[in-house]
Amino acid sequence: TQLLEQSPQFLSIQEGENLTVYCNSSSVFSSLQWYRQEPGEGPVLLVTVVTGGEVKKLKRLTFQFGDARKDSSLHITAAQPGDTGLYLCAGGRGFGNEKLTFGTGTRLTIIP
Amino acid sequence: DTGVSQDPRHKITKRGQNVTFRCDPISEHNRLYWYRQTLGQGPEFLTYFQNEAQLEKSRLLSDRFSAERPKGSFSTLEIQRTEQGDSAMYLCASSLGTLATNEKLFFGSGTQLSVL
Repeated sequence: TQLLEQSPQFLSIQEGENLTVYCNSSSVFSSLQWYRQEPGEGPVLLVTVVTGGEVKKLKRLTFQFGDARKDSSLHITAAQPGDTGLYLCAGGRGFGNEKLTFGTGTRLTIIP
Repeated sequence: DTGVSQDPRHKITKRGQNVTFRCDPISEHNRLYWYRQTLGQGPEFLTYFQNEAQLEKSRLLSDRFSAERPKGSFSTLEIQRTEQGDSAMYLCASSLGTLATNEKLFFGSGTQLSVL
């Protein structure tokens, strides 16, 4: 059972447009990570957020952790074809729990 | 640092056969994880090791599945009497320390298993 729901499931937009991907849960997480996965490869970590309300920026990507630490968003500005991939959020539960709970994923396609 | 290495990259087998996958973590990473990812889904946790000790197993890991990390370095995941439902990407990951302190998790490229 996936405890983290991502929306949208699929997103196809033109190069240069902005987009936001959401990751929602009814559970509280101690940390929230975002990964990008290319076909036939493993996920690659983009960012980790740990404090409610925290905002982190990675070039054109902005990540936010919800105040209650139950949800997160990823905003991409001026999307480029290289941003194409599967975006996954993953929640951590903190000390004593090494398991990450992954979201359902958002498959993003940027059209040149 | 060559990253997490998994072998083979692809495995096709017939139902009922046994298969074994290998994972070589980043050297000096004491934690090693196995996840399974089916098409259109995010990875699901299977098990993890701290050095050679297997500290947690998911209920997804039926008695047909066994994982080892005998010397605290490489790990193997064996599936006995494979079923078509075992078809998935099996991902291995490693980290230098506990994820609770937000250590970075590094994934391998996975082994894609197809059970015919």
